[in-house]
Amino acid sequence: AQKITQTQPGMFVQEKEAVTLDCTYDTSDPSYGLFWYKQPSSGEMIFLIYQGSYDQQNATEGRYSLNFQKARKSANLVISASQLGDSAMYFCAMREPISSGSARQLTFGSGTQLTVLP
Amino acid sequence: DTEVTQTPKHLVMGMTNKKSLKCEQHMGHRAMYWYKQKAKKPPELMFVYSYEKLSINESVPSRFSPECPNSSLLNLHLHALQPEDSALYLCASSQGPGGDSTNEKLFFGSGTQLSVL
Repeated sequence: AQKITQTQPGMFVQEKEAVTLDCTYDTSDPSYGLFWYKQPSSGEMIFLIYQGSYDQQNATEGRYSLNFQKARKSANLVISASQLGDSAMYFCAMREPISSGSARQLTFGSGTQLTVLP
Repeated sequence: DTEVTQTPKHLVMGMTNKKSLKCEQHMGHRAMYWYKQKAKKPPELMFVYSYEKLSINESVPSRFSPECPNSSLLNLHLHALQPEDSALYLCASSQGPGGDSTNEKLFFGSGTQLSVL
């Protein structure tokens, strides 16, 4: 069974600084996808960034980048130039390919509550 | 249009009530999901519909009954709920199965905050 671990229940960062949110995962399948979602207090889960297990380069999307270390099974999210609007819960998630006829699903880590300080 | 719309946004119901949560998407997605999320916890998968057929039921109690009338709509019928069922219920959609791509992202609605009294 797949497992996602986020060891930081809460993080604080000063506005305009960079912050790294940790995520480690465990899977025996060589093909998998890793996602980061942001959930503000309004409740909606917002997709941020995706990294495939076979991707040679780390994913980047604007101020978000993913520090993917496959051998260590880690996929840390880096947010550069933090903004007050970045304050939210951040979830790391993993998807594995179809196996045994079962539909795919996304498994989430426990989340990190990020607070950006003015 | 990349929206998943959920109604109502808030719902308060008694343990004897019957209510329904609704979810709609117009992105042509063929997979739709219901997740349950308790405060400060990650979402937990409840049901997955793939091409309008139920493909995953994560041992959810029968007081939750999903329905997928067509490829754009997903309902969750609620009956005789317990106070511990109070949570945020999130609907999501994705392009759907086919191949074994792992980069298929989920699009989420903003959820229905349910309180059971």
